[in-house]
Amino acid sequence: EAGVAQSPRYKIIEKRQSVAFWCNPISGHATLYWYQQILGQGPKLLIQFQNNGVVDDSQLPKDRFSAERLKGVDSTLKIQPAKLEDSAVYLCASSPPRGHEQYFGPGTRLTVT
Amino acid sequence: AQSVSQHNHHVILSEAASLELGCNYSYGGTVNLFWYVQYPGQHLQLLLKYFSGDPLVKGIKGFEAEFIKSKFSFNLRKPSVQWSDTAEYFCAVTNTGGFKTIFGAGTRLFVKA
Repeated sequence: EAGVAQSPRYKIIEKRQSVAFWCNPISGHATLYWYQQILGQGPKLLIQFQNNGVVDDSQLPKDRFSAERLKGVDSTLKIQPAKLEDSAVYLCASSPPRGHEQYFGPGTRLTVT
Repeated sequence: AQSVSQHNHHVILSEAASLELGCNYSYGGTVNLFWYVQYPGQHLQLLLKYFSGDPLVKGIKGFEAEFIKSKFSFNLRKPSVQWSDTAEYFCAVTNTGGFKTIFGAGTRLFVKA
């Protein structure tokens, strides 16, 4: 079974630029999550999708972050414009139907200079 | 406010020593509890989970955790650690619907050979 795929693995941008991350969950997983993990901290949930609908985006900084999950499969997370404090690893995870354990991708390490 | 506290940020043990990592949570309502592990260079992966029933749950690689509802705790244990257990360990909580995931800050375990 293929795992959660993410790209790119690394990204360096200057502040005020925009960036996008892509995630393809495990086949058949209805729930998809995006997390931000700042160095030395645990993952922080940004947004949770159930199929192609948002079920929780309470911690998503909506003035600069956006996410979509068209067709209920893969998803993109965008930051526009980026700030220095957005430097972090962005993790994508998915869960199977009727299961709440999460399967994580390798993450995208973002550095904002 | 909802939170998850992991008491030790860094733990160093010798092989064959016993391990106990603390996790306490503050979260309204009934919860699902998880321990995830990230080995060096690998993705976050599920170690064990508690949804209901027997409060002592067993996971992979000889790990177990005990849910003590009165103490809002879900401590992780292993009777005898191995060098290969060197990793970062994260405690996480969700509500029973699988929403509002909160992670602790993580505990880095280093096992000396």
